[in-house]
Amino acid sequence: DIVMTQSPDSLAVSLGERATINCKSSQSVLYSSNNKNYLAWYQQKPGQPPKLLIYWASTRESGVPDRFSGSGSETDFTLTITSLQAEDVAVYYCQQYYTTPFTFGPGTIVDIK
Amino acid sequence: EVQLVESGEGLVQPGGSLRLSCAASGLTFSNYAMHWVRQAPGKGLEYISGISSDGGSTYYADSVKGRFTISRDNSKNTLYLQMGSLRVEDMVVYYCARSRSSSSYDAFNIWGQGTMVTVSS
Repeated sequence: DIVMTQSPDSLAVSLGERATINCKSSQSVLYSSNNKNYLAWYQQKPGQPPKLLIYWASTRESGVPDRFSGSGSETDFTLTITSLQAEDVAVYYCQQYYTTPFTFGPGTIVDIK
Repeated sequence: EVQLVESGEGLVQPGGSLRLSCAASGLTFSNYAMHWVRQAPGKGLEYISGISSDGGSTYYADSVKGRFTISRDNSKNTLYLQMGSLRVEDMVVYYCARSRSSSSYDAFNIWGQGTMVTVSS
């Protein structure tokens, strides 16, 4: 199975500041035939199911604010929240869907400083 | 409105069986691959099973392989998870989720609200 790791485990950011979350996969999730990275980012708030933010490593899901962006390729990925808002307090997970089972990272807690 | 609603929540003894259902509405169910993801209280997400849009391909995590069976009835717009040989560690919240496309190899853009399974003697 592909192992996903995330760093940091948690971070506290001031309102309006940038939050950066890193995700690393134990093997490349870049499919060479279509040059797509099979990597997604989800946001989960307490008592709610996860919500898709980013897919193909950098494509924002419809309706997701443009302060959320994804980058990276192969094994190293980043989710950036520019100008953190109060409603962004949540746990963020990366997930690879390159090969089954589609494993998730352990999550990163984002809070307000 | 696109909606997934899980049911089948219940209390079962260790070693017992339980079937979860996920009813889909507001979408052409047969066009999408579907998945089950679970989460222990306060813990992270664990992918456990998936099924292609036509039901022809299924996928399992090692933690449930041989004990759980995923299936779907496209005529009823419903996804199932038959769980057997249940263990205390299976006592978590189960979410059904839809792939963005007919491909199983895609992100999950629609999620149910989750259903709790309790395993206790």
